[in-house]
Amino acid sequence: KQEVTQIPAALSVPEGENLVLNCSFTDSAIYNLQWFRQDPGKGLTSLLLIQSSQREQTSGRLNASLDKSSGRSTLYIAASQPGDSATYLCAVPDDKIIFGKGTRLHILP
Amino acid sequence: EPEVTQTPSHQVTQMGQEVILRCVPISNHLYFYWYRQILGQKVEFLVSFYNNEISEKSEIFDDQFSVERPDGSNFTLKIRSTKLEDSAMYFCASTWDRVADQPQHFGDGTRLSIL
Repeated sequence: KQEVTQIPAALSVPEGENLVLNCSFTDSAIYNLQWFRQDPGKGLTSLLLIQSSQREQTSGRLNASLDKSSGRSTLYIAASQPGDSATYLCAVPDDKIIFGKGTRLHILP
Repeated sequence: EPEVTQTPSHQVTQMGQEVILRCVPISNHLYFYWYRQILGQKVEFLVSFYNNEISEKSEIFDDQFSVERPDGSNFTLKIRSTKLEDSAMYFCASTWDRVADQPQHFGDGTRLSIL
C-alpha cells in the first residue's frame, strides 16, 4: 500500500532564502508525482507534475526532482517570497491519488 | 484554461440532514473523483467514477454516501443523515485519462460544516 510522507511538517524561513521540501513514498512503482499548493481554507493548485521517466521539472522559481529508486522527491523554492507561504502537498497516483500530509511553509518578511 | 467548479463554496447543515455537493468537471474529462480533507489532516480519497459507475471507493465511502452524474455536466456527492464527523473540505477532481498518466484537476472545494 502506497504511503507518502513529507518532512518537515512545518518550516519558517526569512524572505529571500532558498529552501527544500522533502517527500518520500514507499512504493517506487509510480507513474508520476505531483506537487500541489494549498492556501488556508482553499483548494489545491497543481504546481508541478513529474513523469516517472523524468528527473526534474521546473516552473519559475520552483524545481521538483524525482528519484524513483530511492522513493524521494524534493521541491526546491528559490528566492522565497512572503506570497509563497502556504501548505505544499506531495501526491502520487495509485489508481487514486495518495497525498502526503503536507509541509506548512511560512516565509517571514 | 478550463477548470473544475464546485458549489456551494460553504455549506452549513444540521446533523442528520442530507446534503448534496455539486461539481462541474472539465468538459472533455472522463474520470471523476471526490476527496475529503478533515481540518488539519490529509486529503483522502473517497470515490472514483467512470462510465457512469463507481470504479473504486475507499472504506470511508460507506452507505451514507452516493455519487451521481445526473446529466452531461454535473457530478454530485450526496451525504445522507450527516454526522458531526462529516465536517470537512470536499474536493472534486477530474481527468481525461487514468490518474496514473494524467494530472487530476481539482476544484476549490466545498467546506461542509455539520452543526
